[in-house]
Amino acid sequence: RKEVEQDPGPFNVPEGATVAFNCTYSNSASQSFFWYRQDCRKEPKLLMSVYSSGNEDGRFTAQLNRASQYISLLIRDSKLSDSATYLCVVKEYSSASKIIFGSGTRLSIRP
Amino acid sequence: GAVVSQHPSWVICKSGTSVKIECRSLDFQATTMFWYRQFPKQSLMLMATSNEGSKATYEQGVEKDKFLINHASLTLSTLTVTSAHPEDSSFYICSALPDRLISYEQYFGPGTRLTVT
Repeated sequence: RKEVEQDPGPFNVPEGATVAFNCTYSNSASQSFFWYRQDCRKEPKLLMSVYSSGNEDGRFTAQLNRASQYISLLIRDSKLSDSATYLCVVKEYSSASKIIFGSGTRLSIRP
Repeated sequence: GAVVSQHPSWVICKSGTSVKIECRSLDFQATTMFWYRQFPKQSLMLMATSNEGSKATYEQGVEKDKFLINHASLTLSTLTVTSAHPEDSSFYICSALPDRLISYEQYFGPGTRLTVT
């Protein structure tokens, strides 16, 4: 079983739609969670951290469910510019620990 | 702030030669840096963790004698691909973990696209 698993995608949705991604992680000791966005042939960029209480940043909402060991990302009112690959990232508590990337979910927003 | 640069951004080399990639944290110190590799349509795979002043820690399956890592200062780590082969062609990305304790966020460099002919 992979340490971090994501919806494989690709998701192809119309502009304005709401889309949600899930990600599961296997290590219950994981403490930090992030969603990164990666555009084609570019480096990943932090989209948002994921907190236990859930957090929202504009059209983006992230949720963490420790009991079931999954995190989610919800995008509302999707824009063409949201088209990218979204990477789920999980990290253990120690700041020196490596982070584990999910395989990514490709999202394509059509006009 | 929190800018990481990589050099070169792309490189083409002949099979059998060596290529050095630099990763610099421009406005913060980073005792720990990470090197990743990404093949087309695949996710980033951690190759090694680079620690300033000590030997790098390599992930399983990554040859330490082929991928030489040197983290000589708190702002610079280098990855040397020795005796490169076409199968080493990939997108190599570094990231740096700021030494300030409050942050666990890694900052990524823009990546280096290596093509071995």
